[in-house]
Amino acid sequence: NAGVTQTPKFRILKIGQSMTLQCTQDMNHNYMYWYRQDPGMGLKLIYYSVGAGITDKGEVPNGYNVSRSTTEDFPLRLELAAPSQTSVYFCASSYSPGTSGGYNEQFFGPGTRLTVL
Amino acid sequence: AQSVAQPEDQVNVAEGNPLTVKCTYSVSGNPYLFWYVQYPNRGLQFLLKYITGDNLVKGSYGFEAEFNKSQTSFHLKKPSALVSDSALYFCAVRDLGRKNDMRFGAGTRLTVKP
Repeated sequence: NAGVTQTPKFRILKIGQSMTLQCTQDMNHNYMYWYRQDPGMGLKLIYYSVGAGITDKGEVPNGYNVSRSTTEDFPLRLELAAPSQTSVYFCASSYSPGTSGGYNEQFFGPGTRLTVL
Repeated sequence: AQSVAQPEDQVNVAEGNPLTVKCTYSVSGNPYLFWYVQYPNRGLQFLLKYITGDNLVKGSYGFEAEFNKSQTSFHLKKPSALVSDSALYFCAVRDLGRKNDMRFGAGTRLTVKP
């Protein structure tokens, strides 16, 4: 299994540009997550999904959008990029029965380093 | 809302000595607690978790953590540190009463010197 894969690894955007960060998992996990990691700040949850067709906001959703049309894929869309979105973005997945939250560990992708200039 | 604090930005230990990385949490209900490790330019990797039961939890690579409800702590420990343990360690908490909302600490950088 490849686990959680993310593309691209690095990207530089100009202010106002848009892009999609791709995330795919091959573990048949129902939960998927997007986090951003800023220096000294830990990880902040942007959006998450409990299954195909179901998404919800996390702690810092402004400026981002997501969709989940399949179990495997969970792309993150940045519209009108701003310097404040310069960060490292991590996608993660986990399995938990049902949709009421769970206690199983998350598996993380290698991250996308995004710079907005 | 739940929160987690890692009071030390940096922990330095000598190889072969015991190590402790501290974590305290705040939740309104019962906590799920996790430790993750991050090596340079990599995603986070799961080390161990506390859900219920025995307060001493054993995990990967010889790490363990002790859940202390009265002190709301979940410190990560290892009896004998290795240079290869040098990495960034994150504590995380999920409140059972708040679905899907995991909060991470800011991280503690562990450096093990030969």
